[in-house]
Amino acid sequence: DTGVSQDPRHKITKRGQNVTFRCDPISEHNRLYWYRQTLGQGPEFLTYFQNEAQLEKSRLLSDRFSAERPKGSFSTLEIQRTEQGDSAMYLCASSLMDTEAFFGQGTRLTVV
Amino acid sequence: TQLLEQSPQFLSIQEGENLTVYCNSSSVFSSLQWYRQEPGEGPVLLVTVVTGGEVKKLKRLTFQFGDARKDSSLHITAAQPGDTGLYLCAGDNYGQNFVFGPGTRLSVLP
Repeated sequence: DTGVSQDPRHKITKRGQNVTFRCDPISEHNRLYWYRQTLGQGPEFLTYFQNEAQLEKSRLLSDRFSAERPKGSFSTLEIQRTEQGDSAMYLCASSLMDTEAFFGQGTRLTVV
Repeated sequence: TQLLEQSPQFLSIQEGENLTVYCNSSSVFSSLQWYRQEPGEGPVLLVTVVTGGEVKKLKRLTFQFGDARKDSSLHITAAQPGDTGLYLCAGDNYGQNFVFGPGTRLSVLP
């Protein structure tokens, strides 16, 4: 396991469609984070899991956004009824409890 | 709401020059990370500082954590074109999440 893996790297979708992104964390890491990054800004926290429990989701941008980590390993982030304003880089990171986070390469979403 | 500010926002220098970028907050963090990010890629962790007053060196990069654990600086000696990128600081909110600053975009010209 060489690091956090995200799939796909790029996604172009039409407005109104649903999209799902996958994140595979570093295998022994129990925490998994989702961030969004728009051009010229730092990453913005969305949600995080400790094992399979979603401990913080109040920062998800709207009820169109949801995340799961069903078995405490990989996670998915779904955006329903995409809007042009959802276009951004979606980043996943993982960590061991209270240690630093390591990021994946991100999924670049473009909504047309 | 915890906020991290970074300065300068943009920096363009010649190869060989030294530079310092800053990360400031009104909040205390349990630790602070510095990342470098290149276009279209995820942030890559450079260092974590934990103890107030801590100084860490990574080749030509020197990182310092403020005594009160609210601010940090990154000093680069003899910058090279390969140092070009977006430098992000992130504060660890006691294990709940990582709060990022907006970044300093560094360009090192040959």
